[in-house]
Amino acid sequence: GQQLNQSPQSMFIQEGEDVSMNCTSSSIFNTWLWYKQDPGEGPVLLIALYKAGELTSNGRLTAQFGITRKDSFLNISASIPSDVGIYFCAGQLKEWEETSGSRLTFGEGTQLTVNP
Amino acid sequence: NAGVTQTPKFQVLKTGQSMTLQCAQDMNHEYMSWYRQDPGMGLRLIHYSVGAGITDQGEVPNGYNVSRSTTEDFPLRLLSAAPSQTSVYFCASTQAGTDTQYFGPGTRLTVL
Repeated sequence: GQQLNQSPQSMFIQEGEDVSMNCTSSSIFNTWLWYKQDPGEGPVLLIALYKAGELTSNGRLTAQFGITRKDSFLNISASIPSDVGIYFCAGQLKEWEETSGSRLTFGEGTQLTVNP
Repeated sequence: NAGVTQTPKFQVLKTGQSMTLQCAQDMNHEYMSWYRQDPGMGLRLIHYSVGAGITDQGEVPNGYNVSRSTTEDFPLRLLSAAPSQTSVYFCASTQAGTDTQYFGPGTRLTVL
């Protein structure tokens, strides 16, 4: 079953506000990934994290790989209407490292709504 | 490059019918995967393949078969559809040695 707990499940914010979401796991992950899914489309990779403690930015997005390797967060600064969508965290378990990228565990997703 | 393509986009089946969801990628990626997406449950791995001729089960394989006769194609077969298989199905491919999965646009399947 699911091994990632993602929160919050949904967020309703005003344009310009900052957003934070996170994922936790009872297992150690080698890799943390954050995806965004627009309605009617497949998920698209936003940020990839490979090292415990790593902090990576991609424009207004910032994500961190937790020190314990069991959690990660994603921040979006100064939100805009096109940030609307579902955000997923995903991780590769340590024991699957030989099949890198082919077997990921996904969180349940955070539905983000941005009011203009 | 077209990336990852999936057909059909929408499908309605009756309980007990069989069908194949098609997935193709033109990026010469070694790894391919099938996921299903249900409300509030994220994406769950059905089957995956690390190369032509090699497949393995994911988290929710029951009721689904796959094969990988070529690098490009990774079809997903439902032998006897059940209402519990109503879902959105995504195919993804990954280049070996990387973690970036490229997803197709999805197939929305309804089983009555």
